Amino acid sequence: AQSVTQLDSQVPVFEEAPVELRCNYSSSVSVYLFWYVQYPNQGLQLLLKYLSGSTLVKGINGFEAEFNKSQTSFHLRKPSVHISDTAEYFCAVTPTSGTYKYIFGTGTRLKVLA
Amino acid sequence: DGGITQSPKYLFRKEGQNVTLSCEQNLNHDAMYWYRQDPGQGLRLIYYSQIVNDFQKGDIAEGYSVSREKKESFPLTVTSAQKNPTAFYLCASSTLAGVADTQYFGPGTRLTVL
Repeated sequence: AQSVTQLDSQVPVFEEAPVELRCNYSSSVSVYLFWYVQYPNQGLQLLLKYLSGSTLVKGINGFEAEFNKSQTSFHLRKPSVHISDTAEYFCAVTPTSGTYKYIFGTGTRLKVLA
Repeated sequence: DGGITQSPKYLFRKEGQNVTLSCEQNLNHDAMYWYRQDPGQGLRLIYYSQIVNDFQKGDIAEGYSVSREKKESFPLTVTSAQKNPTAFYLCASSTLAGVADTQYFGPGTRLTVL
């Protein structure tokens, strides 16, 4: 079984400051990892995903994430946030074989302050 | 424009009533999913389907039913057996070309029980 932990339920940060949203996972099998963003009252859209290869993955809107297998982490970062980045961010995993089920974390609400 | 549509956007139900949430996609995706989103709990999988006329229970299927008579459509019925149906419901779809296919989400339906 897999599980995803997003320890920070809310992260306030000032505009133009850097931000890191943490994601840790637990799995007995290899997994692929994803970050999604959800704006208020909307569906989720993909920011980035890690499948294999380079552990640093770049996504849309200037976000990037680093896969750390030894620490089972996939933290999301942005060097300078904008007001428009205010949203909820979800980390998710899916096993590399055998199932098409995705397991989502509980989400981190990023609030960018002016 | 390709995408996933969900209707209605807002739905109100009296206790004891069944209601059906619509999900349609024109992305030619094989797999479709229904998730329930509650504050602080992330997304939980209700049902998923990888092929027409076949579907599997997710983690919280009790009190819900689905059908997959057409590739493009995956309606969800919330029955009176669902004890706490007030939530935000998200439909998603993906190809089955590879296990790590991106899930594309609809805009969601907010269901409120009066």
